Amino acid sequence: DAKTTQPNSMESNEEEPVHLPCNHSTISGTDYIHWYRQLPSQGPEYVIHGLTSNVNNRMASLAIAEDRKSSTLILHRATLRDAAVYYCILLTGGGNKLTFGTGTQLKVEL
Amino acid sequence: GAGVSQTPSNKVTEKGKYVELRCDPISGHTALYWYRQSLGQGPEFLIYFQGTGAADDSGLPNDRFFAVRPEGSVSTLKIQRTERGDSAVYLCASSLGVSSYNEQFFGPGTRLTVL
Repeated sequence: DAKTTQPNSMESNEEEPVHLPCNHSTISGTDYIHWYRQLPSQGPEYVIHGLTSNVNNRMASLAIAEDRKSSTLILHRATLRDAAVYYCILLTGGGNKLTFGTGTQLKVEL
Repeated sequence: GAGVSQTPSNKVTEKGKYVELRCDPISGHTALYWYRQSLGQGPEFLIYFQGTGAADDSGLPNDRFFAVRPEGSVSTLKIQRTERGDSAVYLCASSLGVSSYNEQFFGPGTRLTVL
């Protein structure tokens, strides 16, 4: 699977937007970009995924660069409950096993 | 509705013993996955089932690890002759299908400690 690169940690203040970057320069044309997050002492939780176009759902937005070599997960208003490790994962067309890296630890402060 | 459940939530065993970890997927989900997570690391893929058959077991570390899903629903991960290095959180996930756009729903995990 193609590799992703994320910062180890980021900090945000509550009620402010958060932009979590992910680089995937070796992405192939059939790779889907998935984001999962893992809250402390819980299993991972699906956040959002996309292929080429930007995507929005109730949890977040996903902005995908035109060349698809990078993407950004956007939390519009961070809350304390958003403090988690966020994983950016590429899934090859027809693939299904998730390859987690070390992700980005997001800290949210009052 | 009910999510993915895993039992037990915690398991402490002695080196050399046999353990079984159970996963109940979301009803109707045909795909079931096992991952394990060591402290400070992201989850690591072990095996996945499509229906009753193991479609990809490339992540199983050695032949002490085995998993079954006899009726295409509940799955059991079996570890023989446990070693201290097997200590980790074992996570189960299920999904409607196996396409790249299918989201996986994870259970809370079983924390295995081998003394």
